[in-house]
Amino acid sequence: DTAVSQTPKYLVTQMGNDKSIKCEQNLGHDTMYWYKQDSKKFLKIMFSYNNKELIINETVPNRFSPKSPDKAHLNLHINSLELGDSAVYFCASSHSGPERNQPQHFGDGTRLSIL
Amino acid sequence: GNSVTQMEGPVTLSEEAFLTINCTYTATGYPSLFWYVQYPGEGLQLLLKATKADDKGSNKGFEATYRKETTSFHLEKGSVQVSDSAVYFCALMGGKLIFGQGTELSVKP
Repeated sequence: DTAVSQTPKYLVTQMGNDKSIKCEQNLGHDTMYWYKQDSKKFLKIMFSYNNKELIINETVPNRFSPKSPDKAHLNLHINSLELGDSAVYFCASSHSGPERNQPQHFGDGTRLSIL
Repeated sequence: GNSVTQMEGPVTLSEEAFLTINCTYTATGYPSLFWYVQYPGEGLQLLLKATKADDKGSNKGFEATYRKETTSFHLEKGSVQVSDSAVYFCALMGGKLIFGQGTELSVKP
């Protein structure tokens, strides 16, 4: 009964490949997020969706494409993977949008390693 | 723009020592402030929050007070345990959640 679950937990792949990370939340939240955590633990938001609509789109290469089939799911597809994409990617969710100051609930992360 | 600055780690303490992790912020308006904790191999968990000036957030023995005059939200705990070893993130909400760089805490028995 994990609240925010991401799959896979680990992803090791070659440069140039295309991969997807899936995220699902069972908290009834209407807003979901993707964050990237680099090797120095620095966390930065990438995208946010509210009721399947994109509301935050930071300066992220267009090789990264989020998709939200419904408000409980937010997947992240990455094309033409590069060495610099190696990081831990976290999915999160909250009630309403970020401007409502509701705390965000995080998944356990997907550790992406590019060879 | 909005930003959060935390004291650099790692911080190493003995069990039962007093903990302070400094956090200062720059923001327009009066954002909500948060402390998140990340245990090894896990995602972030909300530790405590404060939504307006002079609010004190508290949880599991940790406390932080929203100080508008010093733009600070320092995290404190009177007596740390080995199980508190983790990375602690200060964050503010101003349209999006902005994190500090994280402070690693290691507590030795």
